Amino acid sequence: NAGVTQTPKFQVLKTGQSMTLQCAQDMNHEYMSWYRQDPGMGLRLIHYSVGAGITDQGEVPNGYNVSRSTTEDFPLRLLSAAPSQTSVYFCASTRGRDSSYEQYFGPGTRLTVT
Amino acid sequence: AQSVTQLDSQVPVFEEAPVELRCNYSSSVSVYLFWYVQYPNQGLQLLLKYLSGSTLVKGINGFEAEFNKSQTSFHLRKPSVHISDTAEYFCAVSAWGSGNTPLVFGKGTRLSVIA
Repeated sequence: NAGVTQTPKFQVLKTGQSMTLQCAQDMNHEYMSWYRQDPGMGLRLIHYSVGAGITDQGEVPNGYNVSRSTTEDFPLRLLSAAPSQTSVYFCASTRGRDSSYEQYFGPGTRLTVT
Repeated sequence: AQSVTQLDSQVPVFEEAPVELRCNYSSSVSVYLFWYVQYPNQGLQLLLKYLSGSTLVKGINGFEAEFNKSQTSFHLRKPSVHISDTAEYFCAVSAWGSGNTPLVFGKGTRLSVIA
């Protein structure tokens, strides 16, 4: 199993550009989430999904879109990048009750918006 | 909604000394509690978790944590730290089991072990 994979590892965008951060898991996990990590702020939840076709907003959803067309993939879209979105982004997945909701994290994407 | 407070943003400690990293949470429903560790420039790794049962849970690398329901705390301890324990530690709470949201994290505690 590759676990949770994220691409790209690093990205630099100009203000106003759009892009998609990719996240995939091969563990057949039902639940997937996106977090952003900023210094001194811990990890904050952006969006999450409890299954294919079902998504919901987390604590900091503005400026981001998600969709979940398959169990494996959960891409995060930045619609119009802003410097405030400079951060490290982590995707996570969990099987849910069967695994006591333990989350598995991807390696992260470091995004810089200039 | 759930929230997590990590009471110390930075904890310096000498090698082989004991350490306690403090975590308090609030929730109106039953929760699962987790501690994650993040080494420099890496992702997050699970240290330990409390689901139910014994309030003292043991994790990897010699860490343990105690769940205290009355004080809504889940402090992390290690009796003797090593240089390699230098990292950032995150306490997290999950209320998935009650149909609520995924993990809510504290802001982290940076543990620096001094030789």
